[in-house]
Amino acid sequence: AQKITQTQPGMFVQEKEAVTLDCTYDTSDQSYGLFWYKQPSSGEMIFLIYQGSYDEQNATEGRYSLNFQKARKSANLVISASQLGDSAMYFCAMRRPISSGSARQLTFGSGTQLTVLP
Amino acid sequence: DAGVTQSPTHLIKTRGQQVTLRCSPKSGHDTVSWYQQALGQGPQFIFQYYEEEERQRGNFPDRFSGHQFPNYSSELNVNALWLGDSALYLCASSSRDYDTDTQYFGPGTRLTVL
Repeated sequence: AQKITQTQPGMFVQEKEAVTLDCTYDTSDQSYGLFWYKQPSSGEMIFLIYQGSYDEQNATEGRYSLNFQKARKSANLVISASQLGDSAMYFCAMRRPISSGSARQLTFGSGTQLTVLP
Repeated sequence: DAGVTQSPTHLIKTRGQQVTLRCSPKSGHDTVSWYQQALGQGPQFIFQYYEEEERQRGNFPDRFSGHQFPNYSSELNVNALWLGDSALYLCASSSRDYDTDTQYFGPGTRLTVL
């Protein structure tokens, strides 16, 4: 079974500074996908970034980057130059390999509430 | 390009009633997944529909059922509602043709059971 662990229930960061949100995972699959989503108070889950387990380079999307350490089974999200609009709940999620057929659901962690301070 | 849409936005029901939630996927997507998110928790997978069939199911009772239509839109039905069904219900769409199979979520339907 897959498991995602986010050990930081809440984080604070000063505006314009960088912040790292932790995510560790447990899986016996060799191939898998890792995702980060942002959920503002409105409720919608917004896709931020994806990392495939065989990708050799860390994924980046604008101010978001994923610090992927496969041996440690960690996939931390780094947000650079934080903005007030970044205040939200952040979820790490995992999906089993596409080749496993129907096993395409996402397994989510418990989330980290990020607050950006002015 | 319209994203994933869900209706209604909010819903209040009483115990024992039945509810139907609706979802229209993002343009170009053929797969719809449903998730339940209780307050303060991460989303939990309910089931996934592809080619109008339920392809996979999470740990939810048979009171939860669904349907996918030829235009790829989907419904989630919950029978015999009880207080514990109060949650945010999220629909996500994706395409099996894409390598990453990224799921894009709708705004959710907030269900309150009294």
